[in-house]
Amino acid sequence: GNSVTQMEGPVTLSEEAFLTINCTYTATGYPSLFWYVQYPGEGLQLLLKATKADDKGSNKGFEATYRKETTSFHLEKGSVQVSDSAVYFCALKHSTLGRLYFGRGTQLTVWP
Amino acid sequence: NAGVTQTPKFQVLKTGQSMTLQCAQDMNHEYMSWYRQDPGMGLRLIHYSVGAGITDQGEVPNGYNVSRSTTEDFPLRLLSAAPSQTSVYFCASSYSASDRTYEQYFGPGTRLTVT
Repeated sequence: GNSVTQMEGPVTLSEEAFLTINCTYTATGYPSLFWYVQYPGEGLQLLLKATKADDKGSNKGFEATYRKETTSFHLEKGSVQVSDSAVYFCALKHSTLGRLYFGRGTQLTVWP
Repeated sequence: NAGVTQTPKFQVLKTGQSMTLQCAQDMNHEYMSWYRQDPGMGLRLIHYSVGAGITDQGEVPNGYNVSRSTTEDFPLRLLSAAPSQTSVYFCASSYSASDRTYEQYFGPGTRLTVT
């Protein structure tokens, strides 16, 4: 079946620190992979995506590379800011039925 | 372009009451879905629709009904509210159900409390 596992939170960092949030997946076929971000009190926003192996998605300084050999899609940012404090969700979309499969989310808090 | 809109933003119900959560999108998206978000559980799919007149169950459909009479609207009905349905509900839509490259767009959510 399809599933996503992401690292447990919460993650607490100082401003300008390096961020990695691990995400691995199990899927049949060739899914697309997504990172969504949820700021306090808001809905989910797409942060970045990758639709095939070795694709790198990037946005707002965040990056993630679709690694088929390790079934991973780890989120990274070189220098986090206080404004990056949010919950981050890894998700995969299989071509069947169009549904998204989500990880449980990782809470990130960045201190000044 | 309003995107995906949801009403109400907050709702408190008593056990046994019924209500409808509204969801609308103005992007002519084919696919719409409802998720619930509970602490530590991520988002779980309740129901989804791949087009007007077509709906199907997700992983947690019990206690909820949906219909899709138009492309734009996808209301979620709680038939007889229970405290276990206390959650944050998100509606989402996507241009294509069958093309895996299209992302889903989410509404702002409805926070529901059942007492």
